[in-house]
Amino acid sequence: GDSVTQMEGPVTLSEEAFLTINCTYTATGYPSLFWYVQYPGEGLQLLLKATKADDKGSNKGFEATYRKETTSFHLEKGSVQVSDSAVYFCALMFDFGNEKLTFGTGTRLTIIP
Amino acid sequence: DTAVSQTPKYLVTQMGNDKSIKCEQNLGHDTMYWYKQDSKKFLKIMFSYNNKELIINETVPNRFSPKSPDKAHLNLHINSLELGDSAVYFCASSQRQFLDGYTFGSGTRLTVV
Repeated sequence: GDSVTQMEGPVTLSEEAFLTINCTYTATGYPSLFWYVQYPGEGLQLLLKATKADDKGSNKGFEATYRKETTSFHLEKGSVQVSDSAVYFCALMFDFGNEKLTFGTGTRLTIIP
Repeated sequence: DTAVSQTPKYLVTQMGNDKSIKCEQNLGHDTMYWYKQDSKKFLKIMFSYNNKELIINETVPNRFSPKSPDKAHLNLHINSLELGDSAVYFCASSQRQFLDGYTFGSGTRLTVV
């Protein structure tokens, strides 16, 4: 079945450090890919998405590029802030007819000042 | 106005009780979902309804029964609660033909004692 694999957390970085959270997927076909963020005590919020190969999603300084050849969608940010501390989820969804979002296990990110 | 609202936010109850969680969305979406998030933050889909019709029913005990009176509401009723039902339950909605991902509610933390 379809699955998403994220790097194990927790990840702890200093403020202004460079962030990469790895995400790879296994699927038959070409799904849409998403990153969601969950701040403490809140629901999940869509951070960015990409719907086809080589698309780059970006939002709030975060970026991720859909790489079909490596089946990856790694999340990056050039300079993290304390307010970026949260749990980040990578997810995939197929086209119309099966809108189930399949999530990775989540990566907890803590940024220290 | 909250886009996807769940009530209650917290629910503490004894084993064996029956409880309900309500969800409403004002986004005009045609599809709604229930997800369960366990203590390790893993998210798993439980149910999905499209225009009041059940379209996804994952391997969930039949003590869990979703009900969708209209496309803006999706409630979750749980009979004979067990300790293992303790989790955070998230409602979400989407518009089926758009690959925009989901809009999530803020979650209901259920604790069974």
